[in-house]
Amino acid sequence: QVQLVQSGSELKKPGASVKVSCKASAYTFTNYAINWVRQAPGQGLEWMGWINTNTGTPTYAQGFTGRFVFSLDTSVSTAHLLIFSLEAEDTAVYYCARGPQGRHNWFDPWGQGTLITVSS
Amino acid sequence: QSALTQPASVSGSPGQSITISCTRTTSNVGNFNLVSWYQQHPGKAPKVMIYEDNKRPSGVSNRFSGSKSGNTASLTISGLQAEDEADYYCCSYTGNGAYVAFGGGTKLTVL
Repeated sequence: QVQLVQSGSELKKPGASVKVSCKASAYTFTNYAINWVRQAPGQGLEWMGWINTNTGTPTYAQGFTGRFVFSLDTSVSTAHLLIFSLEAEDTAVYYCARGPQGRHNWFDPWGQGTLITVSS
Repeated sequence: QSALTQPASVSGSPGQSITISCTRTTSNVGNFNLVSWYQQHPGKAPKVMIYEDNKRPSGVSNRFSGSKSGNTASLTISGLQAEDEADYYCCSYTGNGAYVAFGGGTKLTVL
């Protein structure tokens, strides 16, 4: 079945960087976008942006420019989220989710989520 | 503050119907197009229940239905079951490729 499998939880110190991976299976990776969604502890969902898996073009939502980078490795059907200069406020579960290219009318499926904890 | 407002909580007894509203509170969500709804159980990833206002993905129970009128979208769950207890989020896509908004979420309790 169509599936997104994410990398495991990470504990990072402030100022460090982290890379979250999202590996797709059972569909043609370049036919659908990968979206990234953040969920802080006890909070709601926040759309971070998306990457066009056909062109590699990322689009970042307001508030997620500068320290956040979306990338791809299409050879292994994997999307990556890189976060630089981590801050305590970055502590959250990060989800990847498949969606139509450039038309965000649905997200399905979602990865299982990756917990990033930023603490000294 | 989210551009889409949902009630913090709703509750209902097994077998009853409940409706969760999602109201546009800012023009940043554009024409409030293409509303989708997601169910999230504790510690789990969200799951799409309704997309494009009222379409149900394959495999989702027909007890779930969506509608929209003006600035308010609604998710109705009929014949409540214990397994429906979860958080529900509405989501709106403006259509310009760069802006997606989620509602603040509604906790559904099945009494």
